Amino acid sequence: GQSLEQPSEVTAVEGAIVQINCTYQTSGFYGLSWYQQHDGGAPTFLSYNALDGLEETGRFSSFLSRSDSYGYLLLQELQMKDSASYFCAVRVTGGFKTIFGAGTRLFVKA
Amino acid sequence: DGGITQSPKYLFRKEGQNVTLSCEQNLNHDAMYWYRQDPGQGLRLIYYSQIVNDFQKGDIAEGYSVSREKKESFPLTVTSAQKNPTAFYLCASSIDVGTAASEQYFGPGTRLTVT
Repeated sequence: GQSLEQPSEVTAVEGAIVQINCTYQTSGFYGLSWYQQHDGGAPTFLSYNALDGLEETGRFSSFLSRSDSYGYLLLQELQMKDSASYFCAVRVTGGFKTIFGAGTRLFVKA
Repeated sequence: DGGITQSPKYLFRKEGQNVTLSCEQNLNHDAMYWYRQDPGQGLRLIYYSQIVNDFQKGDIAEGYSVSREKKESFPLTVTSAQKNPTAFYLCASSIDVGTAASEQYFGPGTRLTVT
């Protein structure tokens, strides 16, 4: 089957750096995406990796290694407003079907 | 302003009744999606549509139906056959960029409660 695995919770201190991992099992996909969702809100797009390597967007960076079936989201200079759930997702090749991980709840402490 | 609208934000129904959730987008996106989210869980794909008059089942389509008569509209009907319909429903859309994945834009969601 196709699945994405993420840790259920991560806790970090304001100003610190945190890494949220995503391991996947899928026969083929176009790339790995990351979304942020605050409680009660809609998911919003953060980043996308089509190729292996690191993509940087401000305080957020995302990494993909297809050979290791692994990716991660790196959040730097953590702020309280970063407390949210983070989801990795892939669009499966051959169509528009998209699979999301179960999400990682990030708690940022003062 | 361009975006996706879902209505209503909260919806209450009695068990055994069908209910239709609205989703409209003015982003001129080709692809549209419906997801279900249960408390503390991720998004599970119900249906998706790449073009008008075409749609495909996702992972949890049983008990749901959709239509795509217009590019900007993708309503979801939760039928009485859905065993556990109480959930947060999210609609999304994305540009068709061929073989490359594109970001999905989400609506604000509809929280459906069936008693």
